[in-house]
Amino acid sequence: GAGVSQTPSNKVTEKGKYVELRCDPISGHTALYWYRQSLGQGPEFLIYFQGTGAADDSGLPNDRFFAVRPEGSVSTLKIQRTERGDSAVYLCASSLRPGGLSTDTQYFGPGTRLTVL
Amino acid sequence: QKEVEQDPGPLSVPEGAIVSLNCTYSNSAFQYFMWYRQYSRKGPELLMYTYSSGNKEDGRFTAQVDKSSKYISLFIRDSQPSDSATYLCAMGGSGNTGKLIFGQGTTLQVKP
Repeated sequence: GAGVSQTPSNKVTEKGKYVELRCDPISGHTALYWYRQSLGQGPEFLIYFQGTGAADDSGLPNDRFFAVRPEGSVSTLKIQRTERGDSAVYLCASSLRPGGLSTDTQYFGPGTRLTVL
Repeated sequence: QKEVEQDPGPLSVPEGAIVSLNCTYSNSAFQYFMWYRQYSRKGPELLMYTYSSGNKEDGRFTAQVDKSSKYISLFIRDSQPSDSATYLCAMGGSGNTGKLIFGQGTTLQVKP
């Protein structure tokens, strides 16, 4: 079946602009995660959705970052007033069951490479 | 200090060699431990996960966890050029959200 898809694959924007990054999880997966991966680093947790609600947004770096998942499927990560330091690959992952003490595999998408000029 | 420490390498080995990759961690609350493989410009792909101390084997891959030392390893036997990738250790279970804490990743090159 189809895996996690993310659009766009690449996004180049100017400092101060607003961007939206989209994630389509695997059908039926209730849990959705956003991570950010800077060059030469491992992914860093941003936010976790269980269904429609953000159950853990402790990784969002500041209030310029916001994410939604209005129907419990597709999610959009929104970044306002982008800064050069926001340049990174933004990864989305989904898993079948809610997170917690669960070993459910998190399936990752290919990521969106964001470049802020 | 980072919660998870991983030597970034790069590590270069000849084809057929045994590869040893390692991570240390500081948070004793971690409950499960994973290894992901990431090819260039792709998302991470789960290779192995373990829930407790000990060894777990899957084909050419063996994952080892030592909770008392807060140390995990991944061994790759008979390494192949197709194993060339970045290997990320990841840990979870310290909270109730399933979020994973990743190491920096080790870049491995297997030369034919």
